[in-house]
Amino acid sequence: GNSVTQMEGPVTLSEEAFLTINCTYTATGYPSLFWYVQYPGEGLQLLLKATKADDKGSNKGFEATYRKETTSFHLEKGSVQVSDSAVYFCALSRSDKLIFGTGTRLQVFP
Amino acid sequence: GAGVSQSPSNKVTEKGKDVELRCDPISGHTALYWYRQSLGQGLEFLIYFQGNSAPDKSGLPSDRFSAERTGGSVSTLTIQRTQQEDSAVYLCASRSILGPGLALHEQYFGPGTRLTVT
Repeated sequence: GNSVTQMEGPVTLSEEAFLTINCTYTATGYPSLFWYVQYPGEGLQLLLKATKADDKGSNKGFEATYRKETTSFHLEKGSVQVSDSAVYFCALSRSDKLIFGTGTRLQVFP
Repeated sequence: GAGVSQSPSNKVTEKGKDVELRCDPISGHTALYWYRQSLGQGLEFLIYFQGNSAPDKSGLPSDRFSAERTGGSVSTLTIQRTQQEDSAVYLCASRSILGPGLALHEQYFGPGTRLTVT
């Protein structure tokens, strides 16, 4: 079946630290891959996406590369800010629906 | 333009009562989705509408759950005889299937309805 596995949180970092949130997937064929973010008290927002192997999605300093050989889509940011504190969800799209990972809470302290 | 809106934002109901949750998608978006976000289960797909028809209802957890969409716009998710395990945040999303390239993949989410069954 189709599934997404992402690292459990919370991830706690100091401001300007490097961030990696791991995400791996299981799917038939070649799904599109997404990272969504949920800021405190707000709805889910698309952060970035990639639709084929070796594509790199990027937005707001975050990046993720679609790796078919390792079935991964790890989220990275070189220097996090307090305002990046949120819950991050990795997802894949199959048959017109999104299948989400469990979410990873990121806490950034000044 | 307006985003996806949902009402009510919060709903507290007694076990056994019926509830209706409403979703207003972005104007012109033909695809509409319901998801559920709960502590134990994470984010789960419930149902997908294309226009007024629902080609995928595979995520509805039981026959107490139903949804309809009228006029290709507003959708209502109904939960009958609510149980405590129905407590969750119910999210609606919409998507355009028109337009070029990658834009057609993005689902836009509403703020959710927090349902608490006591």
